[in-house]
Amino acid sequence: DAKTTQPPSMDCAEGRAANLPCNHSTISGNEYVYWYRQIHSQGPQYIIHGLKNNETNEMASLIITEDRKSSTLILPHATLRDTAVYYCIVRVPFNTGNQFYFGTGTSLTVIP
Amino acid sequence: AAGVIQSPRHLIKEKRETATLKCYPIPRHDTVYWYQQGPGQDPQFLISFYEKMQSDKGSIPDRFSAQQFSDYHSELNMSSLELGDSALYFCASSFFENTPGNTIYFGEGSWLTVV
Repeated sequence: DAKTTQPPSMDCAEGRAANLPCNHSTISGNEYVYWYRQIHSQGPQYIIHGLKNNETNEMASLIITEDRKSSTLILPHATLRDTAVYYCIVRVPFNTGNQFYFGTGTSLTVIP
Repeated sequence: AAGVIQSPRHLIKEKRETATLKCYPIPRHDTVYWYQQGPGQDPQFLISFYEKMQSDKGSIPDRFSAQQFSDYHSELNMSSLELGDSALYFCASSFFENTPGNTIYFGEGSWLTVV
């Protein structure tokens, strides 16, 4: 299984961009990088995912390095409601399953 | 848009009792996943089903069992409850399990408290 490594916590000023890094140095060629977030005790919320190319949606941008060993989630204008634990997940193909295994995540605090 | 529905949202049981949690996936989703999240912990994968067959098994205790029904809803049955089973239980669903780029969506969870 490809493991992910994220900083345990980060702060970001409200209105500024939040850049959350993730290392996944053992990722295999067909594994996608997913980002989810969990606001206190709510269900994990899907943010974005990608394979090789950078991706952008209405919530965030995902930058994946060319060697795919790391990625960065960018929240362009962080708000207080973005305070959450952010999980970087590499999807593991396993027999007929493609499970999501959560690591420890990054606790992002947006500061007024 | 319809989301993953879990019931009940809160449940209190005594030790050694049995509890059943239900999950209704997003319409047309054929795969469901169960996760357990203890206090201050990250979600742990328990078990998943694809087209009503168990597709993968994680750290699910032997006291727990689950199944997926013909309408794709799933139930997690927990017997001989222990205090340590107190947790938030999430169900998630997706479509076409074998597509790596596919996305899974989570419900809001069911709080189980064992006293």
